[in-house]
Amino acid sequence: AQSVTQLGSHVSVSEGALVLLRCNYSSSVPPYLFWYVQYPNQGLQLLLKYTSAATLVKGINDFEAEFKKSETSFHLTKPSAHMSDAAEYFCAVSREGDDKIIFGKGTRLHILP
Amino acid sequence: EPEVTQTPSHQVTQMGQEVILRCVPISNHLYFYWYRQILGQKVEFLVSFYNNEISEKSEIFDDQFSVERPDGSNFTLKIRSTKLEDSAMYFCASSEELGQQETQYFGPGTRLLVL
Repeated sequence: AQSVTQLGSHVSVSEGALVLLRCNYSSSVPPYLFWYVQYPNQGLQLLLKYTSAATLVKGINDFEAEFKKSETSFHLTKPSAHMSDAAEYFCAVSREGDDKIIFGKGTRLHILP
Repeated sequence: EPEVTQTPSHQVTQMGQEVILRCVPISNHLYFYWYRQILGQKVEFLVSFYNNEISEKSEIFDDQFSVERPDGSNFTLKIRSTKLEDSAMYFCASSEELGQQETQYFGPGTRLLVL
């Protein structure tokens, strides 16, 4: 069975500081990994995805994530936080042949002025 | 930019009533999905739909649930007799192709409250 654990339901960073949102996955087969973002009153938007190509994946708005098989991690980073990054972030996993995406519980990112 | 839309944004209903949640997927997409998120919990897969039939469903998707594509643009989720525990945010998604190489695009959700 596949699962995702996001460490920290709330993370606060100062504007301009590094953003690091943690995600660990469990999968018995090579996973596909995703980060989605949900801004207030909007749907889930794909930030980036890993599908067994490069381990460092770049997404929209300067976000990136690195797939580390040895650590079963897929942490999301951004070098410099912006006020507009305040949102809920979901890590998710899937696999070849599966229709469904399995989501983590989400991390709400707060940006401090 | 094309997007998935959902109506209504909020729905309040009495326990035992039927509700229909509506979604308009992106126009050239062929695969459709419903997910739900109970408050404070994970987003959970309910069902996927292709070529006018269910292709995969979760344990949550029991006989109280049904999906339909009544015309060329809408995709609906019906809950026949709502229970208190059906209160959740329901997300519709669509993708152009099948497989996780393809991005699933999500709508803004319908918040359902069962009283």
